Amino acid sequence: GQNIDQPTEMTATEGAIVQINCTYQTSGFNGLFWYQQHAGEAPTFLSYNVLDGLEEKGRFSSFLSRSKGYSYLLLKELQMKDSASYLCALHSGGGADGLTFGKGTHLIIQP
Amino acid sequence: DSGVTQTPKHLITATGQRVTLRCSPRSGDLSVYWYQQSLDQGLQFLIQYYNGEERAKGNILERFSAQQFPDLHSELNLSSLELGDSALYFCASSVEGTGPLENTEAFFGQGTRLTVV
Repeated sequence: GQNIDQPTEMTATEGAIVQINCTYQTSGFNGLFWYQQHAGEAPTFLSYNVLDGLEEKGRFSSFLSRSKGYSYLLLKELQMKDSASYLCALHSGGGADGLTFGKGTHLIIQP
Repeated sequence: DSGVTQTPKHLITATGQRVTLRCSPRSGDLSVYWYQQSLDQGLQFLIQYYNGEERAKGNILERFSAQQFPDLHSELNLSSLELGDSALYFCASSVEGTGPLENTEAFFGQGTRLTVV
């Protein structure tokens, strides 16, 4: 099975940088995703890591360490619209092709 | 707009009833995934279909079933509904059948909010 842990809630200031951590345990690993979800809306894809290291995409970066079962999402130059839940999701492959999602981190941006 | 269409957007029904949720995937996507999102559980994978056939099963109850039709749209049937089934039900689609991989990320529909009263 899989287990994903991420903080329930974080608060940050507009213009600042925030790092959202995700730790996981899994028997198989095919990739780790980060999704953003605004309340009541569909999750939208942010990033994907399959190899160790940092993937950068504009204001968003994601890091993966497979040996440590650890990932983080880094958001820079925070904007008020970044207030949302950030979901760490594991693709373990094998018989279950669906992504396993963490419960999400609710990020609150303050002026 | 992700290109994935779900209907209806909202559904209110009584306990014990049966409902059908519908999903049209993005054009060209062969895989459809169903997820349930409740307040305390986060997004839970229910089931996946690929090109009309069941590919993978997650935490789907026996009261729930799904199918994918030749035109690739999918339906999720929920029966003997209970109060605890109240949730957002998301459909997602991707091109490949081996799961949402690097260049075949899953695109989510806007969801169906089911309220069981």
